[in-house]
Order: sequence, then C-alpha cells, then structure tokens
Amino acid sequence: DGGITQSPKYLFRKEGQNVTLSCEQNLNHDAMYWYRQDPGQGLRLIYYSQIVNDFQKGDIAEGYSVSREKKESFPLTVTSAQKNPTAFYLCASSKEKADRGNQPQHFGDGTRLSIL
Amino acid sequence: GQNIDQPTEMTATEGAIVQINCTYQTSGFNGLFWYQQHAGEAPTFLSYNVLDGLEEKGRFSSFLSRSKGYSYLLLKELQMKDSASYLCAVRLLYNQGGKLIFGQGTELSVKP
Repeated sequence: DGGITQSPKYLFRKEGQNVTLSCEQNLNHDAMYWYRQDPGQGLRLIYYSQIVNDFQKGDIAEGYSVSREKKESFPLTVTSAQKNPTAFYLCASSKEKADRGNQPQHFGDGTRLSIL
Repeated sequence: GQNIDQPTEMTATEGAIVQINCTYQTSGFNGLFWYQQHAGEAPTFLSYNVLDGLEEKGRFSSFLSRSKGYSYLLLKELQMKDSASYLCAVRLLYNQGGKLIFGQGTELSVKP
C-alpha cells in the first residue's frame, strides 16, 4: 500500500544530542513537509521541499536541518540548538503542480520526541 | 502576515448538527482544506474548497466565501467518533511554496 512512513514512533533525546527523524513516502509525491505540533495547538511548518535537492525554511526552522537527496525521503534532524524539542513531529507529502492547488497533503503517523 | 482563526473548542450532542467556522487573512490563496485529527494521531483530509460555495461529502460539508475570508465545516448526524480536533488550513500559491498555513484547530466534543 502507498503511504508515508515515519520512524521511530517515540524518540528520546539527551542534552547536547542531535537526533534524526525519518520520513519515507512511496506515493511518488513531489513535495514533502515537516511540521511540529505542541499540545492544544495547530501545526507549524519547520521545513518543506517542492522538488528533490531543494528545500526551504518554514516558520520555525531554527534548530532543525533537513536534506532531500531522494524524492522518497525527507529526514529531519533536531539539533542541540533546538532548546525545546519536546513535541509531536508530523511529516507530510503532496503531489505538487503549479496550476493545481487541490492536492491534499497526506500525513505520516508522527514521531513523538521527548527530552531525557 | 498570515492569520487563521477558529474557535478553540465546541461541544455538541450526538445526532445533532454542528458548524465550525474559520476566518483567514493570508497573503495568497490557492484553496482551503479541512482536516480531522484524533488525539495522538495524524490529521486526515476531509474536504477542499477553492471556489465559493458548498462542497458536500456525505455527513460533512464545507463552505467557502473568498470575498469574506470565511469558511465553515458542517457536520451532520453527529456520532461519538466525530469527537476530534478539526483543522482549517489555507494553501498559499505555488510561487509562495504552496505551503499550508494551519489554524490552531477546534476541539469538538460530542456528548451522548
């Protein structure tokens, strides 16, 4: 079945440690996105990529980094510079065309990151 | 700046109808999406509007007025499983990254 796979489901980070969250999709989607969700709040965009080998900062990119070397994969690294990383992280993808905005973003099941 | 407003929470009775409103002010507009999110789970796509008017999908309908920057999601014949958070999101233009800007979500509680 086609879909978006995020791993791990739960992740714990020690002080000063970088951690990487995996996101893989087999939907042949062009665009991929990373969001952060804090309790009782909406989704905030961290980074996004409309095509392979290109990505852009979202609204809260500080302390995070990404890469897009393959169409299927968009890993997110939470660096030690991110001082408040505890949150629910969601990866999404969509079939992105310049003239069609009606392609919904499909979400993975998320990764819950906590500080040890 | 981009701004999307929704009520924080709503309560309704099983079998009733509920309307969740969303107002937006964004620098671009290429459609409005509604998502449903159960606690601890990923959002799932419910509906999309890009032209003014009503889109109906079973028990769910969504309405858009672009001139007023306003949308609503209408849920009919409410069921207990409809208790969830409902997220309104505006898509920006492709040359703005085609990003989705999300509201904070409306937590709907359905009571027996």
